[in-house]
Amino acid sequence: SQQGEEDPQALSIQEGENATMNCSYKTSINNLQWYRQNSGRGLVHLILIRSNEREKHSGRLRVTLDTSKKSSSLLITASRAADTASYFCATVKSGGSNYKLTFGKGTLLTVNP
Amino acid sequence: EAGVTQFPSHSVIEKGQTVTLRCDPISGHDNLYWYRRVMGKEIKFLLHFVKESKQDESGMPNNRFLAERTGGTYSTLKVQPAELEDSGVYFCASSRFGGSYLQETQYFGPGTRLLVL
Repeated sequence: SQQGEEDPQALSIQEGENATMNCSYKTSINNLQWYRQNSGRGLVHLILIRSNEREKHSGRLRVTLDTSKKSSSLLITASRAADTASYFCATVKSGGSNYKLTFGKGTLLTVNP
Repeated sequence: EAGVTQFPSHSVIEKGQTVTLRCDPISGHDNLYWYRRVMGKEIKFLLHFVKESKQDESGMPNNRFLAERTGGTYSTLKVQPAELEDSGVYFCASSRFGGSYLQETQYFGPGTRLLVL
C-alpha cells in the first residue's frame, strides 16, 4: 500500500465538533507533515512533527506521532465551516539530503454549519 | 513576502502538443520542487532543484518531461509531446536552504491544472 495513507478518506461533521484524521506510513522518517488544500487552491503547510517528537500543538490543531506503529493523527478541535478542505499527511524519509515529501491520498473533511 | 506562483493556472491541450508550466518560488528559496497529482492518485514527487542544479529527478515519469531552472530563480516544466495520462495538477514548492528546519517546510503554489484531450 501507499506511504502516508490517510484514514478516513472522507469525514463529515457538524461545526463545533472535533475532527480526527489518521495517517500511516511504511518507512523510517525524518519528519511527518500535515497539509491542507482548499478546493482549487494550493497546499498550505499546517504542522511538522519530527521523528523524536510525540505530540505537537498549533492553535486548534493537535498532531501525534507514534513511530513504533508508523502512524500519526491530526485532531482539529471546535471545527468551523472554514476548515472544510482536503487534508494530507506527508513524510520525509530519514537520511539523505533531499527533503522530498511523500504524500498520502488525503482525507476530505466537510464541516457542516 | 509573495508566495509561490505558478502559471498558467489551467491548460487544456490536445494529445501530442507541447505545454510549458512555470513556477516562481519565494524569493531567496534555493530549493524548488515539482509534484503532480494525477486524478484519483496521491500527490507524487517529480524532482528537486537546489539553485540551478537538479538534486533528484527520480520522480520524473519519462523523457517527455523536461525541467529547467536557469539562473536558479524560476523553473519551467515542459511536457513534449503530451499524453492523456499526463492530465492532472502540477504543483511547485520551494523552501530555504541551510539548516534542516529551513529546508523541511515547503511552501506550495496553487498548482497548474493540465488537461490533455
